[in-house]
Amino acid sequence: DIVMTQSPDSLAVSLGERATINCKSSQTLLYRSNYKTYLGWFQQKPGQPPKLLIYWASTRESGVPDRFSGSGSGTDFTLTISNLQAEDVAVYYCQQYFTTPWTFGQGTRVEI
Amino acid sequence: QVQLVQSGAEVKKSGASVRVSCKASGYSFVGNYMHWVRQAPGQGLEWMAWINPNTGGSDSAQKFKGRVTLTRDTSISTAYLELSGLRSDDTAVYYCVKSWGNSYGDYWGQGTLVTVSS
Repeated sequence: DIVMTQSPDSLAVSLGERATINCKSSQTLLYRSNYKTYLGWFQQKPGQPPKLLIYWASTRESGVPDRFSGSGSGTDFTLTISNLQAEDVAVYYCQQYFTTPWTFGQGTRVEI
Repeated sequence: QVQLVQSGAEVKKSGASVRVSCKASGYSFVGNYMHWVRQAPGQGLEWMAWINPNTGGSDSAQKFKGRVTLTRDTSISTAYLELSGLRSDDTAVYYCVKSWGNSYGDYWGQGTLVTVSS
């Protein structure tokens, strides 16, 4: 199985500042036949299901504010939340869908 | 709009089975795989299985093989997860997750809490 490792486990960021979450996979998530990277980012607030933010490593889902951005390639990825808002307090997960079993990072808790 | 509406919470005894349903609307049910993911209380996300609603083909994570059964009823756009031999560590919220085609998961059901008691 592909192991996904996030860092840090938690971070506190001031309102309006930037939050950076890292994710590393145990093998490449780049599928060479189509040059797509099979990595997504999710946001989960208490009592709610996860919500898709980013797919293909850097494509923002429709309706997601542009302060959320994804970057990276191969095995190293980053989710950046610019201009952090109060409503961004949540746990964030990276997830690979390169192969099943889908695997998720352990989550990063973002607080103000 | 896409909606995945799951069945209500369940309380089961150890050794019993549970079936969770996921009714889809707002998209082509047979055109997109459905996955199941669970989350134990206060824990992370664990992928369980997928089903191709078009063919009925499915597969599950190794740890669930022999205990998980995935079915679907295309006439009512509903997918089902059945988990047998319940143990206390199966206590979790179970989510159905629509995938875009056969790739990333883009919509999640509201979750179904399954509590297993001894």
